[in-house]
Amino acid sequence: EIVLTQSPGTLSLSPGERATLSCRASQSVSSSYLAWYQQKPGQAPRLLIYGASSRATGIPDRFSGSGSGTDFTLTISRLEPEDFAVYYCQQYGSSPKVTFGPGTKVDIK
Amino acid sequence: EVQLVQSGAEVKKPGESLKISCKGSGYSFTSYWIGWVRQMPGKGLEWMGIIYPGDSDTRYSPSFQGQVTISADKSISTAYLQWSSLKASDTAMYYCARLNPPGSAFDIWGQGTMVTVSS
Repeated sequence: EIVLTQSPGTLSLSPGERATLSCRASQSVSSSYLAWYQQKPGQAPRLLIYGASSRATGIPDRFSGSGSGTDFTLTISRLEPEDFAVYYCQQYGSSPKVTFGPGTKVDIK
Repeated sequence: EVQLVQSGAEVKKPGESLKISCKGSGYSFTSYWIGWVRQMPGKGLEWMGIIYPGDSDTRYSPSFQGQVTISADKSISTAYLQWSSLKASDTAMYYCARLNPPGSAFDIWGQGTMVTVSS
């Protein structure tokens, strides 16, 4: 069973700063099947990145994804006020079919 | 517009049954897997299972196998999540979401259905 671990649990930053979020898998994940989501309070999650590095429709280019194998990264180049939220990684393919990481909260310093 | 619209909030007692729904529109409902995701209050996302409405092929997370039933009626573009006997621990927000083949990520999400189970 693939387990996803995200770090840090909470990231305290100021607007304009760079955010680097990590997602580590217990076994190798196909890069084609690693995604990142953003969730704000009271809202459904929103897809940001799929295939480890492809931005979803309408996602600003300050969001980028990278990585392969067991280590993946979501980078927000310059934090905007609307970017303070919880971010989840997700893998598809290996049993169980879908797994989410526990999330990283990005809050305002 | 591609969207998933879920049924409204529910308040139930322990032991009661429940079926919540997720109606797709704006795309070919039978051509994409639909997943269900649980989010308990203040917690993260948990994948429950997925169904392919085209042939009702269903896969469950081991954590939810036997606890819930996922189904779909392709004639009305609707997926369902049901419980036969609710527990207080089923209190959560439940989301449906479309699984999009490029990257197999959930690209469209429903607005969520809050289920509260309390005596």
